[in-house]
Amino acid sequence: SAVISQKPSRDICQRGTSLTIQCQVDSQVTMMFWYRQQPGQSLTLIATANQGSEATYESGFVIDKFPISRPNLTFSTLTVSNMSPEDSSIYLCSVNRADTQYFGPGTRLTVL
Amino acid sequence: QKEVEQNSGPLSVPEGAIASLNCTYSDRGSQSFFWYRQYSGKSPELIMFIYSNGDKEDGRFTAQLNKASQYVSLLIRDSQPSDSATYLCAVEGAGGTSYGKLTFGQGTILTVHP
Repeated sequence: SAVISQKPSRDICQRGTSLTIQCQVDSQVTMMFWYRQQPGQSLTLIATANQGSEATYESGFVIDKFPISRPNLTFSTLTVSNMSPEDSSIYLCSVNRADTQYFGPGTRLTVL
Repeated sequence: QKEVEQNSGPLSVPEGAIASLNCTYSDRGSQSFFWYRQYSGKSPELIMFIYSNGDKEDGRFTAQLNKASQYVSLLIRDSQPSDSATYLCAVEGAGGTSYGKLTFGQGTILTVHP
């Protein structure tokens, strides 16, 4: 398995502001993934973060809204920019280890 | 558009019964299939993964995969109230660019009542 931590665990933010979510993994991984889970919904992949290159975004997600950093092989950040109430979700970091995907504890974001 | 569909819930079973959860997927080239359990307010927890056609058993859980029918299922034997959760089916697509990228079904809520 993989030990993944995220900060913050939850936050309440005002409309128009930005929040940066951190993800730390216990050992080096090539790719890190960011997912969103909207209230009452399943998980949707936002983007894949590779160290040393630009993140690749899934359809419907853009870099201006969800900029991602990957400064090293154990750490990544996801920023939710210019937030609106529709961004209220759980944001989850995920890594692949031994061909299996593991998830962090998530960051519960509420936008007022 | 890759799609993953799960049997609509909620599913309610008595304690000790077998719970059967089903999932179909649209991408015929999909290679890897996962079942996650998610308790309310928690992140998904991996229960099982399966890559080959047939059955895979782990304790009370059995995953079944039929690639020809594009169908994967999860059986929970001797269901316990602690199994009450949302079960998520996830599929990893084919090809290098899909490595690690999961498409999730909408989830099935399971309730095991004493």
